[in-house]
Amino acid sequence: DVKVTQSSRYLVKRTGEKVFLECVQDMDHENMFWYRQDPGLGLRLIYFSYDVKMKEKGDIPEGYSVSREKKERFSLILESASTNQTSMYLCASSLGDRTGQRYEQYFGPGTRLTVT
Amino acid sequence: AQSVTQLGSHVSVSEGALVLLRCNYSSSVPPYLFWYVQYPNQGLQLLLKYTSAATLVKGINGFEAEFKKSETSFHLTKPSAHMSDAAEYFCAVRGQTSGSRLTFGEGTQLTVNP
Repeated sequence: DVKVTQSSRYLVKRTGEKVFLECVQDMDHENMFWYRQDPGLGLRLIYFSYDVKMKEKGDIPEGYSVSREKKERFSLILESASTNQTSMYLCASSLGDRTGQRYEQYFGPGTRLTVT
Repeated sequence: AQSVTQLGSHVSVSEGALVLLRCNYSSSVPPYLFWYVQYPNQGLQLLLKYTSAATLVKGINGFEAEFKKSETSFHLTKPSAHMSDAAEYFCAVRGQTSGSRLTFGEGTQLTVNP
């Protein structure tokens, strides 16, 4: 089974702090994704990565950055946390092949971040 | 551009009743479609997927979905609801051909009443 783990289930940070959210997958997947989930808005893609050191902006990248130094690890960084970044953050991974399997994403348990 | 519309942000059924969660999609490429389920305080789990093979797709926990191209729909059904089915359900469609992105619907919260 694919396993995607996230470093924290719950996190409370203060406005202006730098925040790191870590995600690790154990199935050698090429693609990794960061989403935020808010009530009534579904999942919105922040950033994704299709290879080590490669990244692309998603739909809502403002205020976030990412890092992928190793294939299994994808980090989301909030450079200066703000209250409007209070949300559930979900990490996912998928294969990078050219078949339809690359769309099948496997999710971590999520990190509920509160910025006060 | 690809998009997904889930009709009804909240659906309530009685235990043992039919579950029907609606999903309509828009896609400029042959669609790959997915249903995910999210239990409270957990990540998303894949229920089932359509990838251009059989139009009736069976998934886990007794759920199935039928791809109807003429209606651009991919509705999720289960003949008999169980209390453990209470969760949020998301429909998703693949993104542009060159990437691996999914576009998600806004989700439908399913409540099962005893």
